[in-house]
Amino acid sequence: LAKTTQPISMDSYEGQEVNITCSHNNIATNDYITWYQQFPSQGPRFIIQGYKTKVTNEVASLFIPADRKSSTLSLPRVSLSDTAVYYCLVGEHTGGFKTIFGAGTRLFVKA
Amino acid sequence: SAVISQKPSRDICQRGTSLTIQCQVDSQVTMMFWYRQQPGQSLTLIATANQGSEATYESGFVIDKFPISRPNLTFSTLTVSNMSPEDSSIYLCSVRPGLHTYEQYFGPGTRLTVT
Repeated sequence: LAKTTQPISMDSYEGQEVNITCSHNNIATNDYITWYQQFPSQGPRFIIQGYKTKVTNEVASLFIPADRKSSTLSLPRVSLSDTAVYYCLVGEHTGGFKTIFGAGTRLFVKA
Repeated sequence: SAVISQKPSRDICQRGTSLTIQCQVDSQVTMMFWYRQQPGQSLTLIATANQGSEATYESGFVIDKFPISRPNLTFSTLTVSNMSPEDSSIYLCSVRPGLHTYEQYFGPGTRLTVT
């Protein structure tokens, strides 16, 4: 499983766009990049997954450069309710493959 | 998607005792996992609960301490045996509904405090 590195914490203000970058230099050909969000006292929640280029859904966008050694989760116009821990995971994550969580990034959104 | 419930939601136990945590899913799922999350920390995978066979444990976790059952495709239990204060943590059940599904769903967790 590829190791991931993310900032420990980030601060932002309501209405701003937040970009959280994850490094995964040893990503394998079959690996996907997946992001989860965890609010206090809740289990993690799937946000988005991608393999290359750009993926967008109603919650976030995921940018993956051609070399796939990093990825950036983009949250448009954050609100106070986006305060959470965001986990970047790299792996196959299907079938019998395990999902291993790294340290995550604690995002604090201020008014 | 899958809706997961866990029982109990929280408990306070004395050291040396055991607690069994139940995980119920509203649909049949292929993969079930148990995680532990200590306060302010990330999630640590304990084991994969295999239906009809012994669970597959991660390094640092053993069956004698964390016996797991999975009698069918919608239910699993995790027992924390001979508890010590170091076992105080949140225990989360997680499922991946299908072999070709990459999303995982998590239960609300069981908050365990060992005194």
